[in-house]
Amino acid sequence: NAGVTQTPKFQVLKTGQSMTLQCAQDMNHNSMYWYRQDPGMGLRLIYYSASEGTTDKGEVPNGYNVSRLNKREFSLRLESAAPSQTSVYFCASSGRRLEKLFFGSGTQLSVL
Amino acid sequence: DAKTTQPTSMDCAEGRAANLPCNHSTISGNEYVYWYRQIHSQGPQYIIHGLKNNETNEMASLIITEDRKSSTLILPHATLRDTAVYYCIVRVPNSNSGYALNFGKGTSLLVTP
Repeated sequence: NAGVTQTPKFQVLKTGQSMTLQCAQDMNHNSMYWYRQDPGMGLRLIYYSASEGTTDKGEVPNGYNVSRLNKREFSLRLESAAPSQTSVYFCASSGRRLEKLFFGSGTQLSVL
Repeated sequence: DAKTTQPTSMDCAEGRAANLPCNHSTISGNEYVYWYRQIHSQGPQYIIHGLKNNETNEMASLIITEDRKSSTLILPHATLRDTAVYYCIVRVPNSNSGYALNFGKGTSLLVTP
């Protein structure tokens, strides 16, 4: 019973490099989300996808792009990483009750 | 979404009940109270939610005052594994107002042996 799976768990990038964070859920949920968590800042929503084929900006979308590849998968791309994007990234999904989120175990990203 | 206020930190002895308060004095009639917790370095975990009646599940109980201006999450027999940050969130269910849940800073609960 995997739930929400994120890869990779850890990543170190140099400024200007690009990378994609992968997320997949096996709960047949319509909605998926990407949050970031910085010390003292709490969790902030980057992007979300209310359903397959749709994506929308959250609170802090600048510097990121997303793709809802299919119902299961929602990826987050950093085109040109910056030190300000050093953070822990969490993917989440929700079904009929949007407020009942299921989170992945997170990706710790450092941009040097 | 209504603003919530939680204590920054609390301690609880192992085996005792942990009572975590949350103030939401501006809650509106159709807003629910949701609780999550986040164990160190893991993703947040949904615990329970309620509207006005008390709720209980296998993880915890939620007590909401009659005027709905505050609530208490109760972990009846706290264990060391319950050490975590606990978030109280108030929101209209299935609201499309941005989809972001406001986790705030939460209460850091330390369960001691």
